[in-house]
Amino acid sequence: QVQLVQSGAEVKKPGASVKVSCKASRYTFTSYSMHWVRQAPGQGLEWMGIINPNGGSTTYAQKLQGRVTMTRDTSTSTVYMELSSLRSEDTAVYYCARDGAGAKGWYFDYWGQGTLVTVSS
Amino acid sequence: QSVLTQPPSVSEAPRQRVTISCSGGSSNIGNHAVNWYQQLPGKAPKVLIYYDDLLPSGVSDRFSGSKSGTSASLAISGLQSEDEADYYCAAWDASLNGYVFGTGTKVTVL
Repeated sequence: QVQLVQSGAEVKKPGASVKVSCKASRYTFTSYSMHWVRQAPGQGLEWMGIINPNGGSTTYAQKLQGRVTMTRDTSTSTVYMELSSLRSEDTAVYYCARDGAGAKGWYFDYWGQGTLVTVSS
Repeated sequence: QSVLTQPPSVSEAPRQRVTISCSGGSSNIGNHAVNWYQQLPGKAPKVLIYYDDLLPSGVSDRFSGSKSGTSASLAISGLQSEDEADYYCAAWDASLNGYVFGTGTKVTVL
C-alpha cells in the first residue's frame, strides 16, 4: 500500500519560513507527481501546487507565487514544501497528496497524514 | 471564496439517500473532470469519486457521482453513521489556472 509520511508539527513566528517533508514509499517515486493542499482551522481545502519528481518541474497556485517552493530528493523519495514570509493566515494543516496520473486530469489518490503549522508571535 | 459552491450541510436518517450538489461554471466543471473527497473528522481527505463518476478501488458502491453542464452531484445511498464527514468537490479551473475545491458540505446522519 502506498505510504506518504510527513514531518512533524511546527511552530513559527511571523516572517519566518517553514519546510515540510513528505516521504513516499511502496511505489515508483518518479512516476507520480505530488501535490500540496492545506486546510486552515475549521476551513476548507486549498490547493497549493504540484511537483513532478521526474525532473522537478513545478506549478504553484497564483495566490502563493513567490512564497512557496516545492522540491524533491529522488535519492530518498521525499518531496518538500517550503513556505516563506509566514503570516497568521498560513496557520493550517498541510497535506501532501499523490496525483492519480490518469488521462483526464488531476485527482489525489493517496494523502499524507498532515502536518500542522502554527504561525504565532 | 471558492468558485465551486456546495450546500454547507445536509442531514438525513440512516438508510436514506442524500445528494450533495456542486455548482461551478464553464471554466471548471463545464469543461473539466470533477472529483469528490471525503474527510472524516480529524483525518486526511480520501478520494471518493474521480473523473465525474468513477469509483476508486475499495470505495463502497453506495457512493455515486454525476455531472450535467456546470453542476455535479454526489449521492450517498443507504446512509450510515460512518458516512458523517465533510465532502468536497474539486476540479481544474482554466480561468484561475489552478485546482479548486468546493466550499464543502457537512453530512449528518440523524
